[in-house]
Amino acid sequence: GNSVTQMEGPVTLSEEAFLTINCTYTATGYPSLFWYVQYPGEGLQLLLKATKADDKGSNKGFEATYRKETTSFHLEKGSVQVSDSAVYFCALSDRTGGFKTIFGAGTRLFVKA
Amino acid sequence: ETGVTQSPTHLIKTRGQQVTLRCSSQSGHNTVSWYQQALGQGPQFIFQYYREEENGRGNFPPRFSGLQFPNYSSELNVNALELDDSALYLCASSLGPGDDSPLHFGNGTRLTVT
Repeated sequence: GNSVTQMEGPVTLSEEAFLTINCTYTATGYPSLFWYVQYPGEGLQLLLKATKADDKGSNKGFEATYRKETTSFHLEKGSVQVSDSAVYFCALSDRTGGFKTIFGAGTRLFVKA
Repeated sequence: ETGVTQSPTHLIKTRGQQVTLRCSSQSGHNTVSWYQQALGQGPQFIFQYYREEENGRGNFPPRFSGLQFPNYSSELNVNALELDDSALYLCASSLGPGDDSPLHFGNGTRLTVT
């Protein structure tokens, strides 16, 4: 079945460091891909999405490009801030047996001042 | 606009009991999805309701059941609770069932089964 694999955390970075969180997927067809973020004490919220191959999703300085050839959707940010500390979830849409979103296990990011 | 609200926030039940969790969807949203999130894991899809009908179900046993009401709020019912049902239960609403409609999550209900 469809699935998402993302790098294990926690990831600890200093402020202004470059961030990459790896995400790969297994899917039949052409799913949409998402990154959701969960800040401390808050619910999950959509960070960005891409709906077809080579699309780049971006928001709040974060970017991810839908790479069909490598089945990847890595999350990047050029300069992280303390306020980016959160848990990041990679996800994909699955249309088999009704629509649903499938999530990875999440990667916790700590950013130190 | 009012976001997704879930109640209760925390709940403790005994094995074998039954539980009902509630979710009010965001204004204008007609689709509700329920997820189970174990500690340190990503959310696992339980089922989705669209216009009061079940519109997809994940790999959960029939003792997990749900309802959606005419105002699009929803309930998750779990019968014959097991210890492994201890988890954070998340409700998410969306404008529709497709992937053009991002999920808007509530803060969840933390269920502990003893």
